[in-house]
Amino acid sequence: QQPVQSPQAVILREGEDAVINCSSSKALYSVHWYRQKHGEAPVFLMILLKGGEQKGHEKISASFNEKKQQSSLYLTASQLSYSGTYFCGTGFWSGAGSYQLTFGKGTKLSVIP
Amino acid sequence: EPEVTQTPSHQVTQMGQEVILRCVPISNHLYFYWYRQILGQKVEFLVSFYNNEISEKSEIFDDQFSVERPDGSNFTLKIRSTKLEDSAMYFCAIGTSYNSPLHFGNGTRLTVT
Repeated sequence: QQPVQSPQAVILREGEDAVINCSSSKALYSVHWYRQKHGEAPVFLMILLKGGEQKGHEKISASFNEKKQQSSLYLTASQLSYSGTYFCGTGFWSGAGSYQLTFGKGTKLSVIP
Repeated sequence: EPEVTQTPSHQVTQMGQEVILRCVPISNHLYFYWYRQILGQKVEFLVSFYNNEISEKSEIFDDQFSVERPDGSNFTLKIRSTKLEDSAMYFCAIGTSYNSPLHFGNGTRLTVT
């Protein structure tokens, strides 16, 4: 039920770009993206609702392909501050009619000078 | 100022003991969640709570776990008889609607010896 993220880890040099993918076997209502730095709580980045929209936040953007049940997070011109573990959370309605948000295993991103 | 405060920040307990983890949102939120994260692993959903009742729970959330909002503000997670494998960081998260961004507390690190 949990979404599958890829890659598991990536190392970038400052200024390089990266793509993190998130896919689900369930029909999704929404996709959330969070970043967690070591020893800290996850911090919200963005949320995408079904409809195939794309959102951006400075040099971080994301897309959501509802048909493929996939989302991708794009980090362009990476900065040292982008380092952390990125989690996608997939929102779906359970069989019991309640909404559930489940996180993937995370992608560890390391940006080096 | 954080949206949600968790106490204690660190709890050490012996196997078989009961622990209560607390979460205090700074403002009125309707949706409450508990997640846990074993060191170095993904963020795992435990339970969601809405309108003073559990709306969804995971397989992890067995009879040893319970949640309540006793006074309308504090949101608590109780583990009745802790096991070694309960050692983890426990995050409380809050949301304004079922699909809103989650604001995580700083977590309680539970160590069961």
